[in-house]
Amino acid sequence: AQRVTQPEKLLSVFKGAPVELKCNYSYSGSPELFWYVQYSRQRLQLLLRHISRESIKGFTADLNKGETSFHLKKPFAQEEDSAMYYCALWCGTALIFGKGTTLSVSS
Amino acid sequence: GAVVSQHPSRVICKSGTSVKIECRSLDFQATTMFWYRQFPKKSLMLMATSNEGSKATYEQGVEKDKFLINHASLTLSTLTVTSAHPEDSSFYICSAPKPGGKNIQYFGAGTRLSVL
Repeated sequence: AQRVTQPEKLLSVFKGAPVELKCNYSYSGSPELFWYVQYSRQRLQLLLRHISRESIKGFTADLNKGETSFHLKKPFAQEEDSAMYYCALWCGTALIFGKGTTLSVSS
Repeated sequence: GAVVSQHPSRVICKSGTSVKIECRSLDFQATTMFWYRQFPKKSLMLMATSNEGSKATYEQGVEKDKFLINHASLTLSTLTVTSAHPEDSSFYICSAPKPGGKNIQYFGAGTRLSVL
């Protein structure tokens, strides 16, 4: 069955520190993975997707099919990165979300 | 960019009443929309896929008669929580796919339902 796992509920880092939000997936087909972000009092919005292989707001994520992972990384966290991050898998008919990780960046 | 409008943003109702939540795609058409439920400090749980002109597809464990979905036009899907009970209190979110595919979703701002 398809599943998205985000093992960390909360990740607290200091400003300027590297960040890695973990995401593992389970899917029998060819995976299409996304990271969505929800800032305080705002709606969910797309951060990036693995197909585009782009860097958004300094974040990158590489799909590792061998490890079935799609970890989100940023070398230097900023306070404005504080938000809820969801890893999501398109399973052919709908988007399946992980439980989300709250990133808290403090100065 | 494309926007999904969700209304109301907050509703408080008495137990036993029905509540309708609207999800509209602004400036684009959506033959499919999705309804999610978000529990406190938990993930978004996909409830159902709303299909324009046909029946919604419900996820396992979601009561069809409890959560009625109607997708009457290419820009509007509604979720009606029938005979609401306190355990139905939650945050409901809809989404619509970005025109042109790529499986990217645009999300509504969500509806906070509180059943007294």
